[in-house]
Amino acid sequence: DTEVTQTPKHLVMGMTNKKSLKCEQHMGHRAMYWYKQKAKKPPELMFVYSYEKLSINESVPSRFSPECPNSSLLNLHLHALQPEDSALYLCASSQGLDRGNTIYFGEGSWLTVV
Amino acid sequence: QKEVEQDPGPLSVPEGAIVSLNCTYSNSAFQYFMWYRQYSRKGPELLMYTYSSGNKEDGRFTAQVDKSSKYISLFIRDSQPSDSATYLCAMSDPDKLIFGTGTRLQVFP
Repeated sequence: DTEVTQTPKHLVMGMTNKKSLKCEQHMGHRAMYWYKQKAKKPPELMFVYSYEKLSINESVPSRFSPECPNSSLLNLHLHALQPEDSALYLCASSQGLDRGNTIYFGEGSWLTVV
Repeated sequence: QKEVEQDPGPLSVPEGAIVSLNCTYSNSAFQYFMWYRQYSRKGPELLMYTYSSGNKEDGRFTAQVDKSSKYISLFIRDSQPSDSATYLCAMSDPDKLIFGTGTRLQVFP
């Protein structure tokens, strides 16, 4: 079983809703990530928190906003999403960006925007 | 040219076959090489991790890295229907992690 846990596993939301995806890692890692994965595509990096510093993929729209309450928790706040945002959202963690970037993924949260 | 190239497949083999999955890359700065297995509707699972050139074996799985040719491979011996999944190669330098597009493997009984 993965030591990166994500909730909820499935989420259906309307375009006017506000929701959040939650992630917790139990490995003492110092870097956490949000990835987005569409069908038959590799994961695409959205955000990285490493040593309390946020790095953003500039192509990610502002309707996605990450929050890192502490080094083991990472949330992704969703607001005014579009149907094309429907995808598998993956949380991941690693020891740190300077440790070879071997990252461990959670099971993912399936998001459907209607 | 993409930084990482991976044949998307699908690759269909009979149970018991030896499977060879491959990726090529263009960035000589990559030092860490990984293989992930992803079952349908699940997150990717880290399968193998290799630093620099050489071979690494874990049970039925062997990862090979040839930095001079910029080529990495994953071999699966005695393949099983439970190995049916998408296999993603990934590689990194200290600043970034790049995934291949994934190869879909189907092992039929």
